[in-house]
Amino acid sequence: EDQVTQSPEALRLQEGESSSLNCSYTVSGLRGLFWYRQDPGKGPEFLFTLYSAGEEKEKERLKATLTKKESFLHITAPKPEDSATYLCAVPDSGGGADGLTFGKGTHLIIQP
Amino acid sequence: DTAVSQTPKYLVTQMGNDKSIKCEQNLGHDTMYWYKQDSKKFLKIMFSYNNKELIINETVPNRFSPKSPDKAHLNLHINSLELGDSAVYFCASSLSAGEETQYFGPGTRLLVL
Repeated sequence: EDQVTQSPEALRLQEGESSSLNCSYTVSGLRGLFWYRQDPGKGPEFLFTLYSAGEEKEKERLKATLTKKESFLHITAPKPEDSATYLCAVPDSGGGADGLTFGKGTHLIIQP
Repeated sequence: DTAVSQTPKYLVTQMGNDKSIKCEQNLGHDTMYWYKQDSKKFLKIMFSYNNKELIINETVPNRFSPKSPDKAHLNLHINSLELGDSAVYFCASSLSAGEETQYFGPGTRLLVL
């Protein structure tokens, strides 16, 4: 069964304090790893897709990296508007309606 | 322009009722999905629908049934609503099935009393 585990569950940072969020996965044959951002009361917003170990993608203050067992979302000099829940997900490998298997997310708070 | 839209945004109803949630995407995608996000904010896939092929997560009760009048719409019908059905339901779409990036709607907040 596919497993996606995110840590920490919650993270509180000061504005400008860089950190990393972790997503570890166990799937039979990775077909992509997705990062989403979810704001309260809204649907998940797509950030990145990573397909192979060693791949990196960047968007503003965010950088996502991928190894064979985990992915990191690095946040550099975050601002209060980066506060959100960050979700990672992998495609189902069977029995899951061919959708995405999500982790439980990291709730990130950036304090001014 | 909203890529994936859902109606209604909020739905409050009594136990035992039948209700529907509508979803439309204007992205020209072939595959659509329904997810349920429970009170612990955990997102779980319910259905995917691609080119008239429906794939159901085996944990979803058969009181839930998706219906697709055309490629741009995937509606969710729920019969005999139960208290445990209270959750936020998200519709999503992707260009095709499999590992394609999925784009989510704003969600429908269902409360069963």
